[in-house]
Amino acid sequence: DTEVTQTPKHLVMGMTNKKSLKCEQHMGHRAMYWYKQKAKKPPELMFVYSYEKLSINESVPSRFSPECPNSSLLNLHLHALQPEDSALYLCASSQQDRAQETQYFGPGTRLLVL
Amino acid sequence: TQLLEQSPQFLSIQEGENLTVYCNSSSVFSSLQWYRQEPGEGPVLLVTVVTGGEVKKLKRLTFQFGDARKDSSLHITAAQPGDTGLYLCAGAEGETSYDKVIFGPGTSLSVIP
Repeated sequence: DTEVTQTPKHLVMGMTNKKSLKCEQHMGHRAMYWYKQKAKKPPELMFVYSYEKLSINESVPSRFSPECPNSSLLNLHLHALQPEDSALYLCASSQQDRAQETQYFGPGTRLLVL
Repeated sequence: TQLLEQSPQFLSIQEGENLTVYCNSSSVFSSLQWYRQEPGEGPVLLVTVVTGGEVKKLKRLTFQFGDARKDSSLHITAAQPGDTGLYLCAGAEGETSYDKVIFGPGTSLSVIP
């Protein structure tokens, strides 16, 4: 089983809303990732969690707040977003937090900020 | 700065044709992945290659990793409309947690019935 699940699939929010994106994997992977992807562009790394601890933050604005409650779950809390934050948000996981490890992606959450 | 280039950027072909997509870098990669992504969906892993000169086949798809581990190609035989999507290559120079996976810009393939 190489499945990473994400909810919700679609999300529309206003600039004053607070919402959360959820990601789950049951492959026993110890590294989990959040990516942001604009149309027809490759994914851009936002955060990396390794063994439930934040290991990389790619200078992401504080209106994005990641959380890793346990080894299977990864959340991304959203607050006071801007329209330019509209994108596909992808979660991924890998066996270990090493760059040569293959990452498995979820289906993504399509976010629209109005 | 690590850089992965992909060519062509866009490709539109008729069903049944063959095609090759390229992924190139001036850097050596310890491993390289190919993904296919459909609009609004997450990238789906097709293959991981780790050994220079390695060739892997997945039905009508053939993947090759260059001998020097700086480049890779994806060849599709008798393309079908279901092959339509964005093809991404991704690679890692190193092996530690301080090294990041680099994504190429992608090749957008459209197979016309």
